[in-house]
Amino acid sequence: NAGVTQTPKFRILKIGQSMTLQCTQDMNHNYMYWYRQDPGMGLKLIYYSVGAGITDKGEVPNGYNVSRSTTEDFPLRLELAAPSQTSVYFCASSYSYNSPLHFGNGTRLTVT
Amino acid sequence: AQKVTQAQTEISVVEKEDVTLDCVYETRDTTYYLFWYKQPPSGELVFLIRRNSFDEQNEISGRYSWNFQKSTSSFNFTITASQVVDSAVYFCALSEVYSTAGNKLTFGGGTRVLVKP
Repeated sequence: NAGVTQTPKFRILKIGQSMTLQCTQDMNHNYMYWYRQDPGMGLKLIYYSVGAGITDKGEVPNGYNVSRSTTEDFPLRLELAAPSQTSVYFCASSYSYNSPLHFGNGTRLTVT
Repeated sequence: AQKVTQAQTEISVVEKEDVTLDCVYETRDTTYYLFWYKQPPSGELVFLIRRNSFDEQNEISGRYSWNFQKSTSSFNFTITASQVVDSAVYFCALSEVYSTAGNKLTFGGGTRVLVKP
């Protein structure tokens, strides 16, 4: 019973590099989300998806892209990494629009 | 716009003391959900409770209890007889609930609870 799995757990990027944060869930949830958590702060929504092929921006989408080709996977792409993107990234999924979110364990990203 | 405020950034207590975490929210929606999540030192987010805006009954689950007061837009969380394992950051969150947009959460800034033995 894996739930929501995120890889990698940690990553250090140089300014201008790009990378993809992977997120997969095995609960057949339609709804998936990406949040970022800056030090000492709450989480902010980056992007979300209500089903395969459908994505939309959250509160802080600049500098990121997502895709949702399957129900299980919801990767987050960082192009041209910047120090302001240093954060912990959480992927989450939910069964329906009013269900609690199940979170992955997070990816800690440092951009230097 | 929605907003969640957790005015207490850190609370330190001695084991077995009770601790209450405050949460105040702002929304123009008439239908919404409120949540509490726990983030232990290991970093994962653990769901504790969901409450909808039409249900103002208080809830108790073991040593945890929640007091929802719509009149004051508050959803406070009390840990009774705290234990060291309760040491964590606790987040209050609010969701707008639209079937086309999913359960998008607005989080408060969190309250760090430190329970000393």
